[in-house]
Amino acid sequence: DADVTQTPRNRITKTGKRIMLECSQTKGHDRMYWYRQDPGLGLRLIYYSFDVKDINKGEISDGYSVSRQAQAKFSLSLESAIPNQTALYFCATSDWVGGKVEAFFGQGTRLTVV
Amino acid sequence: AQSVTQLGSHVSVSEGALVLLRCNYSSSVPPYLFWYVQYPNQGLQLLLKYTTGATLVKGINGFEAEFKKSETSFHLTKPSAHMSDAAEYFCAVSDRGNQGGKLIFGQGTELSVKP
Repeated sequence: DADVTQTPRNRITKTGKRIMLECSQTKGHDRMYWYRQDPGLGLRLIYYSFDVKDINKGEISDGYSVSRQAQAKFSLSLESAIPNQTALYFCATSDWVGGKVEAFFGQGTRLTVV
Repeated sequence: AQSVTQLGSHVSVSEGALVLLRCNYSSSVPPYLFWYVQYPNQGLQLLLKYTTGATLVKGINGFEAEFKKSETSFHLTKPSAHMSDAAEYFCAVSDRGNQGGKLIFGQGTELSVKP
């Protein structure tokens, strides 16, 4: 099994619908992140969480919300999807303890809003 | 605020040729520096990182990068390209210290390798 699992892998939804993207990890890391990838823009940080009780906005949080249900689970919600939220979404985790600074990424969720 | 600039959104090389992907960063203090690779329909995988110490760092698949503080650069190189190197490459930075971990990415460079 993958260390960081995202579901669904692909999703097409209609404008105005609420949608949730889920992420679970088996790395045992406290830190989790949601990024969005758009062609020519790289990845941009939407939200991050340094532990279960910690939620922080990233660079582009408008129109998104998150929930950290457990150390291993971090979900991203689009309350009312709009077409410009069509993108590839990545969840990531990192340890950041003792110099372990590598981030581990899920396979991504390709979201299309029509 | 930190920022990362990757020069060239597309780079094409012949198999066996040198690969050079450029990355410059802007930061008030030297950050942690990373190169990630993304193969089609996959997530990102760490190629190499610089945190401290020797400024020339070696990574997986024969890649290496050199941190040059005076030039605020962290260019990625590989002496001889292989067809399997075709992918998108991202340079990223992060703050040091306990508030680190949030990655700021460059725009990405798509590497094509011609036979």
